[in-house]
This record gives sequence, C-alpha cells and structure tokens, in this order.
Amino acid sequence: DADVTQTPRNRITKTGKRIMLECSQTKGHDRMYWYRQDPGLGLRLIYYSFDVKDINKGEISDGYSVSRQAQAKFSLSLESAIPNQTALYFCATGDQGGYTFGSGTRLTVV
Amino acid sequence: QKEVEQNSGPLSVPEGAIASLNCTYSDRVSQSFFWYRQYSGKSPELIMSIYSNGDKEDGRFTAQLNKASQYVSLLIRDSQPSDSATYLCAALAAGGTSYGKLTFGQGTILTVHP
Repeated sequence: DADVTQTPRNRITKTGKRIMLECSQTKGHDRMYWYRQDPGLGLRLIYYSFDVKDINKGEISDGYSVSRQAQAKFSLSLESAIPNQTALYFCATGDQGGYTFGSGTRLTVV
Repeated sequence: QKEVEQNSGPLSVPEGAIASLNCTYSDRVSQSFFWYRQYSGKSPELIMSIYSNGDKEDGRFTAQLNKASQYVSLLIRDSQPSDSATYLCAALAAGGTSYGKLTFGQGTILTVHP
C-alpha cells in the first residue's frame, strides 16, 4: 500500500457542487499538507495541519476548507466548486527529514 | 516577492554535462530546504534535503546552501536524459507565525538532450 493515499484519482464535477478530496497516510507523521498545482505555478499551499486541533491557512485557502479527522486523515473540501479550481491537487506528509506526496487528484470543474 | 523563487527555464544541457539549478528564498526563518524532482503528471519525489551551510553530496547530486545569501542550489553531474523533469525547490519555516509552513518555488524545467 502507498504511504500517502489520495482519493479519488480523477474527478469531474459541475460548478456549484460540493466536493471532498481525501488523503490518508501510514507514515505516522503529525504534519499534513494540501497543495494545488497549475501549469507553470509550482505547488501552492492551501492548508496545513499539525494535529486534529491545529490547522493553518496557506497562501490560497479562499474557497477551500479542510478537516483533520485523525492523525492519519486530512480532507480537503470545495464548498461550491468553480472552474478556476480545476487543477491537480496533492496531499503531503513528513517532517524536517523530508515530505512524501500522494499520487494526486486531478479535478476538473465544468 | 515570492517566498521561494526559481528560474522557470527551460534549462537545456547535453548528456554528460553538469546541470545547475538555483533557488532563492526570502523568509529568514526557513531552516530546512528540499529539492524535488517531478515528471509530467506524477507526484514530486524527494532528491535531497539540506539544513547546514555548505555542500551535501548524494551520488550525482550536490545540494549547496548559503543562508547569508538566502540561496540554495542543486548540481546534477553526468546528466542523463532520464533526468529531464521539473525540479522543485522547497523551504520549511522553522519559527515565527509560519512555523512548519512548507513553501515551493515554481519549478525549473530541465531537458537533457543526447
């Protein structure tokens, strides 16, 4: 099994719909992160968390929310999806030694 | 000013040459730095981490850190076509209000041609 698992791998949704992306990890790390990637823009941080009660906004948190259900689970929600949220979304976990990424979720909002 | 900046390239080098990738960061509370490689459509993979000033070598890769200049670099020796990818620089904040924040640059596209 992968160390960091993201579901779904691909998703097409309509404008205005609520959608949740899920991430789970078996690495045992406290820190978990959500990023989005758009061509030419690298990875932009949406939210990050150190435990279930410690959640921090990243540089592009508007339009997104998160839930840390347990040390191993960190979900990202789009409350009302819009087309410019079409992107590749990555979850990551790790510590000062390095961070491991999931395989990504390709989200398309039509 | 972006917190982590890279030259987006593309950087093109011949097979067997040294590829030099550069990164600057603006937040002085950043203490740990990482280089990731990302193939198209895939997730980033960790190549190197560096925390102390100076050089760190791992096989064909050497990471260099200069905290006074807020500069990080990655050298790839004996470049191979399989090294063709996007290289991402990342900085981890170790203090202040951004403690634990992991910020990436926009990536440098490297092409190694035979």
